[in-house]
Amino acid sequence: DSGVTQTPKHLITATGQRVTLRCSPRSGDLSVYWYQQSLDQGLQFLIQYYNGEERAKGNILERFSAQQFPDLHSELNLSSLELGDSALYFCASSAYTYQSPLHFGNGTRLTVT
Amino acid sequence: AQSVTQLGSHVSVSEGALVLLRCNYSSSVPPYLFWYVQYPNQGLQLLLKYTSAATLVKGINGFEAEFKKSETSFHLTKPSAHMSDAAEYFCAVVSGNTPLVFGKGTRLSVIA
Repeated sequence: DSGVTQTPKHLITATGQRVTLRCSPRSGDLSVYWYQQSLDQGLQFLIQYYNGEERAKGNILERFSAQQFPDLHSELNLSSLELGDSALYFCASSAYTYQSPLHFGNGTRLTVT
Repeated sequence: AQSVTQLGSHVSVSEGALVLLRCNYSSSVPPYLFWYVQYPNQGLQLLLKYTSAATLVKGINGFEAEFKKSETSFHLTKPSAHMSDAAEYFCAVVSGNTPLVFGKGTRLSVIA
């Protein structure tokens, strides 16, 4: 058990809809990362927050947004969903620096129909 | 920018045989390198990490990896494969102030 909790485990929704994915980091970790995993693109870094502030941005679409709350949990909001957004979305947390290992949740599998 | 190339999207070995998963990296500054494993329906777990303290790094479950700067490689090995090693393996690199970048992964199959 990594200590990182992601909800929900599965999400099925229709095109054009909006969903929110939630992540609780491992106790004591200040950094939260979001990754998207798909068969064709592999693991793509989306965005990172550190102690409530955005720290780094990767290949995140404008339709996607995220935030980290004072209690350090994070939410990833996906809007105007398209079929191509179907993927496994992982949250990971780490203690401090980029050199610290990431601890991954079990992911949220999003299916857009 | 740093990047990782994993040679072979699928590797198949017999139980008891040597496991060799290849990873080459590109980085303009000294890198930190990682191997992660992903079992079906689970998140990624850290196998081992290179931080420049030693070129040969030992990880969990009998895996180890050797950092070779001259070859920009960080190949993962295990002397004897077990059925439970069947999974997807990811090599990853971080250098400077940038988040972890993953390779595309290698699926390891172990044949009885």
